[in-house]
Amino acid sequence: AQSVTQPDARVTVSEGASLQLRCKYSYSATPYLFWYVQYPRQGLQLLLKYYSGDPVVQGVNGFEAEFSKSNSSFHLRKASVHWSDSAVYFCAVSGNNNNAPRFGAGTKLTVKP
Amino acid sequence: EAAVTQSPRNKVAVTGGKVTLSCNQTNNHNNMYWYRQDTGHGLRLIHYSYGAGSTEKGDIPDGYKASRPSQENFSLILELATPSQTSVYFCASGGTGGAGNTLYFGEGSRLIVV
Repeated sequence: AQSVTQPDARVTVSEGASLQLRCKYSYSATPYLFWYVQYPRQGLQLLLKYYSGDPVVQGVNGFEAEFSKSNSSFHLRKASVHWSDSAVYFCAVSGNNNNAPRFGAGTKLTVKP
Repeated sequence: EAAVTQSPRNKVAVTGGKVTLSCNQTNNHNNMYWYRQDTGHGLRLIHYSYGAGSTEKGDIPDGYKASRPSQENFSLILELATPSQTSVYFCASGGTGGAGNTLYFGEGSRLIVV
């Protein structure tokens, strides 16, 4: 089965700074890749997803992610973070055979004022 | 508005007792999932379903059963609850396959087993 590694459990950045959250996946076939965000006491919400085409995909609220097949990565980026971006971010991978998505351990982002 | 609704939102259960977590979706999705969320582990897949009458084991199914009596409803059953099952449980629904398989999550059910 597929798997996801998010190597950074916690990331702290200052408001206005740029952000990169790392995600590495393992999957033998073509992956479908997702980033979700979880605000306190809520379920997860989709930020963006990728399957094919331009390796840089745009999401909501200024987030984007870049797929790299050679590195098996799907890192999330944002040019300038806002305090409201503080949340837990999850990377997920699934395949095109209707297999269930698997999630990483998540990265807790704290944006300092 | 399409939604995934979980009940109960909070539950305290005694060790050895039976717990049923319920999930209802109005998205008309075929696929439904149960995950548990624990610090350091992220979301781990317990059971999932491709449609009414079907259930599949996920990565950590031991101690859990699942039931999908209809398109809309998917339950997670702990026959003999243990303290190690204290967690936050999330239900999600999703379309069929690949990039269509964006998941829509409920708000979670917080279970404490004492």
